[in-house]
Amino acid sequence: AQKVTQAQTEISVVEKEDVTLDCVYETRDTTYYLFWYKQPPSGELVFLIRRNSFDEQNEISGRYSWNFQKSTSSFNFTITASQVVDSAVYFCALREYGNKLVFGAGTILRVKS
Amino acid sequence: NAGVMQNPRHLVRRRGQEARLRCSPMKGHSHVYWYRQLPEEGLKFMVYLQKENIIDESGMPKERFSAEFPKEGPSILRIQQVVRGDSAAYFCASSPQTEDYGYTFGSGTRLTVV
Repeated sequence: AQKVTQAQTEISVVEKEDVTLDCVYETRDTTYYLFWYKQPPSGELVFLIRRNSFDEQNEISGRYSWNFQKSTSSFNFTITASQVVDSAVYFCALREYGNKLVFGAGTILRVKS
Repeated sequence: NAGVMQNPRHLVRRRGQEARLRCSPMKGHSHVYWYRQLPEEGLKFMVYLQKENIIDESGMPKERFSAEFPKEGPSILRIQQVVRGDSAAYFCASSPQTEDYGYTFGSGTRLTVV
């Protein structure tokens, strides 16, 4: 069965610190997709990234970077030089064949000024 | 996100009433998904629909909950005889026919049962 584990319930950092959010997944499929979403205090879900299982290249987008390691079934997310506006709940999600997403429980990130 | 429209944004119902949540997918998207987020939890899949068809309802509670996506008009998630435990944020997402493009989520409907 599919499962996504975000072991960090809550992380607090001071502005400008780097922070890594962990995501470990379980799946039997060889073809799958991994996602990260941000949920700011206003409540909407903001798409950050989608990665398919055949693409293990790390990705960088501005202050955001993602490290996908199939060998450890992990898809970790790093924010460099964090800012107060990064404060949100971050969800990792997995999709196998069949179109439904399985979400992790989320990590609350608090960035203090 | 603005492309998937959910209404209302907030809905208050008394116990025993019916709640109807609406979702208009992005233009050109024919697949709709409903997810529920209970307080301080992650999102849980409820149902996946295409026009006039329920494809996967494995996450729907067996009673009181139903969903439809008619040929014309928005997708509707209906909760009959609501109870306090139904209080949650309900998110709708849509995707095009081609799986590869991923999902676009709406802003959610926050249901409060009093």
